[in-house]
Amino acid sequence: GVTQSPTHLIKTRGQQVTLRCSSQSGHNTVSWYQQALGQGPQFIFQYYREEENGRGNFPPRFSGLQFPNDSSELNVNALELDDSALYLCASSSIGQAQETQYFGPGTRLLVL
Amino acid sequence: AQSVTQLDSHVSVSEGTPVLLRCNYSSSYSPSLFWYVQHPNKGLQLLLKYTSAATLVKGINGFEAEFKKSETSFHLTKPSAHMSDAAEYFCVVSTGGGSNYKLTFGKGTLLTVNP
Repeated sequence: GVTQSPTHLIKTRGQQVTLRCSSQSGHNTVSWYQQALGQGPQFIFQYYREEENGRGNFPPRFSGLQFPNDSSELNVNALELDDSALYLCASSSIGQAQETQYFGPGTRLLVL
Repeated sequence: AQSVTQLDSHVSVSEGTPVLLRCNYSSSYSPSLFWYVQHPNKGLQLLLKYTSAATLVKGINGFEAEFKKSETSFHLTKPSAHMSDAAEYFCVVSTGGGSNYKLTFGKGTLLTVNP
């Protein structure tokens, strides 16, 4: 399945954070989502074969990397209080709209 | 532009009674539609998906949903609720591929099942 690390993280405003995801074996697409408390997940971006493949309404300080070994990262620079949320990654096989995405359990980030 | 509206933020039913979770969507393109469930402190799990084949879609755990293009709806139903169904449910629309890929979640419906 899809795994994420760490499970919880506390940072202060202005810091930078890196969240990690390990995709399901054989999947070549990873997507990242931000889920604020009491809200549905919001699409940050998707990576397909190590390139960005679509992006939601998030500023450039949210960036990502996808590696050939089924792992990926979400980096957030200059953290703001509103970045506090559950961050979910999801993997799928071809990066198309009809594909099922398989979600990890998430990383809960708290920015103080 | 695409959007998803889940018409109820909270639905409460008794165990053994039917469940109806309502979802309306808006999309400029032929959408794919999904329902996901999220149990507390767990990741999102796919219940079912519609991808332009049969309009009545059967999913896991006895859930099903019907795609109605004329009503732009994709409501989730289950004939008989079980205590283990208590969770947050999300309706999701996705379109496109490549750099045009977009996936939009609704705000969620919290389902409570009373004994």
